[in-house]
Amino acid sequence: EAGVAQSPRYKIIEKRQSVAFWCNPISGHATLYWYQQILGQGPKLLIQFQNNGVVDDSQLPKDRFSAERLKGVDSTLKIQPAKLEDSAVYLCASSRLLTEAFFGQGTRLTVV
Amino acid sequence: KQEVTQIPAALSVPEGENLVLNCSFTDSAIYNLQWFRQDPGKGLTSLLLIQSSQREQTSGRLNASLDKSSGRSTLYIAASQPGDSATYLCAVGGTSGSRLTFGEGTQLTVNP
Repeated sequence: EAGVAQSPRYKIIEKRQSVAFWCNPISGHATLYWYQQILGQGPKLLIQFQNNGVVDDSQLPKDRFSAERLKGVDSTLKIQPAKLEDSAVYLCASSRLLTEAFFGQGTRLTVV
Repeated sequence: KQEVTQIPAALSVPEGENLVLNCSFTDSAIYNLQWFRQDPGKGLTSLLLIQSSQREQTSGRLNASLDKSSGRSTLYIAASQPGDSATYLCAVGGTSGSRLTFGEGTQLTVNP
């Protein structure tokens, strides 16, 4: 079974630029999560999808962050415009409903 | 709001020692609890999943216990090896499929 795929692995951008991350979950997993992990901290949930509907986006900075999951499969997370404090690893995870979550390798974003 | 705390933040032990990592959570209305391992620069690897109705789960040298009423979980690692060096994260899944809430992690170093 293929794991959660994320791209790119690394991205360096200047502040005020925009960036997008892509995630392909494990086949058949209805739940998809995007987490932000700042160095030295635990992951923080940004948004959770169930199929293509949003379950929880209470911690998503909606003035600059957006996410979509078209057709209930792949997902993209966008930041526009980026700030220095957005430097972090962005992790995508997927699971079947209420079961074990599996994570991708993450995208390391550096904003300079 | 669920809060997850992991103690200690860092732990250094000699090879061969048995050790215990602790995780506590404030809201006992959980659906499951998952332990992850994270190597530097990598994503999260799932180690063990405990459903709320279970008391413990075992996988090889790892044993995780759950006491939902007291809001605690422990991860026991037997006969530690240098390859066990990593950050260990505990995550609590809320009821109704709500978010996985993470602790800050315990950074483990096993010295040869």
